Amino acid sequence: SAVISQKPSRDICQRGTSLTIQCQVDSQVTMMFWYRQQPGQSLTLIATANQGSEATYESGFVIDKFPISRPNLTFSTLTVSNMSPEDSSIYLCSVWVETQYFGPGTRLLVL
Amino acid sequence: AQSVSQHNHHVILSEAASLELGCNYSYGGTVNLFWYVQYPGQHLQLLLKYFSGDPLVKGIKGFEAEFIKSKFSFNLRKPSVQWSDTAEYFCAVNAWDTGRRALTFGSGTRLQVQP
Repeated sequence: SAVISQKPSRDICQRGTSLTIQCQVDSQVTMMFWYRQQPGQSLTLIATANQGSEATYESGFVIDKFPISRPNLTFSTLTVSNMSPEDSSIYLCSVWVETQYFGPGTRLLVL
Repeated sequence: AQSVSQHNHHVILSEAASLELGCNYSYGGTVNLFWYVQYPGQHLQLLLKYFSGDPLVKGIKGFEAEFIKSKFSFNLRKPSVQWSDTAEYFCAVNAWDTGRRALTFGSGTRLQVQP
């Protein structure tokens, strides 16, 4: 199993600013993912972040907007850059350890 | 690319009623299938999953799901719902034989159980 924590749990930000979300896992994992859940919507994969390689972004998501770091096997960050109100979402970190585990999410509101 | 369809967007039931939520996916290869639940204000929890073997999978809180490969379906069932089952339910799939482990989610079904 895997226990995932995220910081911050929630934040309110001004448009044009950036926010970095941290994801910490209690064990070493190769595969880590970042998802977004917009209000009233389902989850959409932003990118896959495997340690030792560049993050792989899904269609509609770009590195300049959502830069990701994966410095080791237990930690990753997702930055939401130059934010607009449309970025208001829950951002979730997840890992694959025989199944998919999700973190508690970071609830972001952009004003 | 795979996709997931959840046909019921909003379901309203009375307590003790039986539940079946539909989930269909589009991928012809080997899949892993999941049902997650999100209670109001809480984060995602895994209800059950299917990887291989018995196509009838039992999960937590009395939920079960049946994988029917010929129908590309993985419907969620519960014989008698409770008020505490009020939540959003998400079906998800990954295409195991591609090496992809990220999940593709359905649009979700909002279940409202009336006391």
